[in-house]
Amino acid sequence: DGGITQSPKYLFRKEGQNVTLSCEQNLNHDAMYWYRQDPGQGLRLIYYSQIVNDFQKGDIAEGYSVSREKKESFPLTVTSAQKNPTAFYLCASSIDRLNTEAFFGQGTRLTVV
Amino acid sequence: QKEVEQDPGPLSVPEGAIVSLNCTYSNSAFQYFMWYRQYSRKGPELLMYTYSSGNKEDGRFTAQVDKSSKYISLFIRDSQPSDSATYLCARYNTDKLIFGTGTRLQVFP
Repeated sequence: DGGITQSPKYLFRKEGQNVTLSCEQNLNHDAMYWYRQDPGQGLRLIYYSQIVNDFQKGDIAEGYSVSREKKESFPLTVTSAQKNPTAFYLCASSIDRLNTEAFFGQGTRLTVV
Repeated sequence: QKEVEQDPGPLSVPEGAIVSLNCTYSNSAFQYFMWYRQYSRKGPELLMYTYSSGNKEDGRFTAQVDKSSKYISLFIRDSQPSDSATYLCARYNTDKLIFGTGTRLQVFP
């Protein structure tokens, strides 16, 4: 089945640690996105990538980093510089940069303990 | 002013009711608008998208864009308990989607 797979579903991190969230897609999509969702704030764009080896900062990139070494993979690292990392993280992809139809993964819930 | 604004709800209706969900947007240059449905602890799924003004219908769902008032609406006819979810409106801007905060809908039997 084609789709987007995020792992793990739940993740716990100690303060001061970096953690990497996985996002893999087998839809052959060029564009991939990371969003953060907090109660009452909707989805906020962290980073996006329109093509392999290229990515751009979204609205809330501070404290996060990404890489796009392969078309199907777009991992997100939450660094210790992110002051409030506890949130629901969503990865999405679309055929190309026009992004008129984005497909989402099932999300990773990150909790800092 | 946020680029896409949406009443967070919750909106609670009885089964069979007609539901109206609304968003406003601030930039009149936008052409593509989308509605996503998100069940609790799941990723959003695309319900409908519309281009420019007018209505688009798909089964029990109708999406409407009024560019003169910068208003986006989603109507759900004959609402079902399975429609209980958060509904997110979004608009396309150059190379990314901008989302509203979402409206939580509860349909009770």
